[in-house]
Amino acid sequence: NAGVTQTPKFRILKIGQSMTLQCTQDMNHNYMYWYRQDPGMGLKLIYYSVGAGITDKGEVPNGYNVSRSTTEDFPLRLELAAPSQTSVYFCASRFTSGGYNEQFFGPGTRLTVL
Amino acid sequence: GQQVMQIPQYQHVQEGEDFTTYCNSSTTLSNIQWYKQRPGGHPVFLIQLVKSGEVKKQKRLTFQFGEAKKNSSLHITATQTTDVGTYFCAGRQETSGSRLTFGEGTQLTVNP
Repeated sequence: NAGVTQTPKFRILKIGQSMTLQCTQDMNHNYMYWYRQDPGMGLKLIYYSVGAGITDKGEVPNGYNVSRSTTEDFPLRLELAAPSQTSVYFCASRFTSGGYNEQFFGPGTRLTVL
Repeated sequence: GQQVMQIPQYQHVQEGEDFTTYCNSSTTLSNIQWYKQRPGGHPVFLIQLVKSGEVKKQKRLTFQFGEAKKNSSLHITATQTTDVGTYFCAGRQETSGSRLTFGEGTQLTVNP
């Protein structure tokens, strides 16, 4: 099991550019999440999904979009990048129910918008 | 909306000293989780507490969930350099479904 994988690891964007952050999990988890973490801060939920075809907004969804066409993949789209989107982005997944509800995190994508 | 506050923001200790971080929620939680993030790394799950007044131990780590299910603490006995990192609590409300609200974290540094 690779767990949760994210690509790219690092990216520098210019203001106004767009990009897609990729997230894949091979644990057959229904629930998937996107968080952003600003320096020295906690995790803020951007979007989440409870299964293929179902997505919902978190605390800070503005400037982002997501899709969930398969159980494994949950890409995050940034349109018209802004300096305020400079952050570390973490994707996470978890089992639907039963036992611990722990979230498994990917290694993160470090994004800089200049 | 739900808020989860965590204190202190930073803690510097000498190796061998104890460490405690506290987590307080503005609303009653159905459960609370604790994560550790090493510098430059990603959050890693430590434990989940569900019951009022619950206490769980993992070697030198002791986790507590308050009677009112609105606060929690993590205590590390005799810190080691391997304990360095940021410790986050994350609470789940009854009404928040699958979402967790993370505290801002406590960054622990341990001087050898």
